[in-house]
Parts: sequence; C-alpha cells; structure tokens
Amino acid sequence: AQSVTQPDIHITVSEGASLELRCNYSYGATPYLFWYVQSPGQGLQLLLKYFSGDTLVQGIKGFEAEFKRSQSSFNLRKPSVHWSDAAEYFCAVGAWGTGTASKLTFGTGTRLQVTL
Amino acid sequence: NAGVTQTPKFQVLKTGQSMTLQCAQDMNHNSMYWYRQDPGMGLRLIYYSASEGTTDKGEVPNGYNVSRLNKREFSLRLESAAPSQTSVYFCASNKDGGEYGYTFGSGTRLTVV
Repeated sequence: AQSVTQPDIHITVSEGASLELRCNYSYGATPYLFWYVQSPGQGLQLLLKYFSGDTLVQGIKGFEAEFKRSQSSFNLRKPSVHWSDAAEYFCAVGAWGTGTASKLTFGTGTRLQVTL
Repeated sequence: NAGVTQTPKFQVLKTGQSMTLQCAQDMNHNSMYWYRQDPGMGLRLIYYSASEGTTDKGEVPNGYNVSRLNKREFSLRLESAAPSQTSVYFCASNKDGGEYGYTFGSGTRLTVV
C-alpha cells in the first residue's frame, strides 16, 4: 500500500526567505505525486504534480518540486516566501489502475507560518 | 464553472441523528471521492466511486454509506452519528487519468455532540 510522510508538522519562515517542505513516499511503482495547499477554512488547491518526464516540476504561485526516485522524495520549494503563502501544505501519492478509480493517499500536512 | 459543490457548509448533530452530505460536480468527471480531515491525520479516504452506479470502500468506511445518484452527484450518509465522526468532510472528483489530480469542494464542517 502507498504511504506518504511529511516529517515537519509546523515550519516558520521569514517573508522573503527560501522554503523547502519535505515529502517522502512509499509506492511499489512509478508514482503520481502531488502537492496541495489549503488556506484556513478552504478546500485543497492543486499546486503542482508529477507523473513522468522532467523530475523538476513547476507549479502555481512560484512553487516547484523535485522528484528524486533514489530518495523516494518529492520536496516542495519556493525561492522567496510571501506572507500570503501561510497555509497548510499536503503531499499526496496516487495509484491508478486500469478500469478503476484513482486513489490519492495524503500526508499529514505541514503548516507554514510566515513572519514579517 | 462551479467545480465541486458541497452542502451544507456547517452542521451540528446530536449523537444518534442521521444526515446526508451532498456533493455535485459539473466537470463531467467519472470518479468521485469522500475524504475526512482530522487534525494531525491529513485526509483519509472514506468511500469512492469510479463511475455512476459503482462505489467502493476506502480507508475509513465504518459508520458511513454512500450513493452515486448519477454522474454528477455523490452523497455521504451518516445513519447514526457519533462524536468520533466530528470532522471536516471533503468531496473531490477526478478526470479519467492519474495525471490530473483531484478537484476538491470547499468542505463540510460537521460537529457531533
């Protein structure tokens, strides 16, 4: 069964500083990987995704993530954080089977606080 | 497009009461899902539906039932609510193919007292 680990429950960074959120996954085949962001009281918004090709993927809001198969990781990065980036971030791994629905497994999330 | 619409947004139930959470999507997606979100536990899959007329259990199905009424609508029913079902519930849908990810509704915050 697939699983996702986000080792950092809470991270605080200063506005303008760089950011890296860690994500490690367990999956028996090539995974589909996603990062979602959730602002307080809101649903989840897709930031970026990886399913094949270039291991460095670009997403919305200036975020990027790098897939490293050897480390089973898919870390999220941003060069310069803005106060509006304060939110909870979820990494997810997907399993897709022929003729069946996809199923995403989520990590427990990392809450990002941005100080001014 | 409205995307995925969930109703109600908030609900308070007494232990033992029943209710149905509604979800509808207007993107012509085949697959739909119900997740619950609890602090420190991320999102856990309750039930999902690969297509109209089919449903399958996810990770935490106990205490819930679902109905895929048609391609657009996927409802979640609590027959006898328990305090352990206090949570935020999210509905999501997916276009066929893993590379698209899910589109989520804005959630239903349920409190069982």
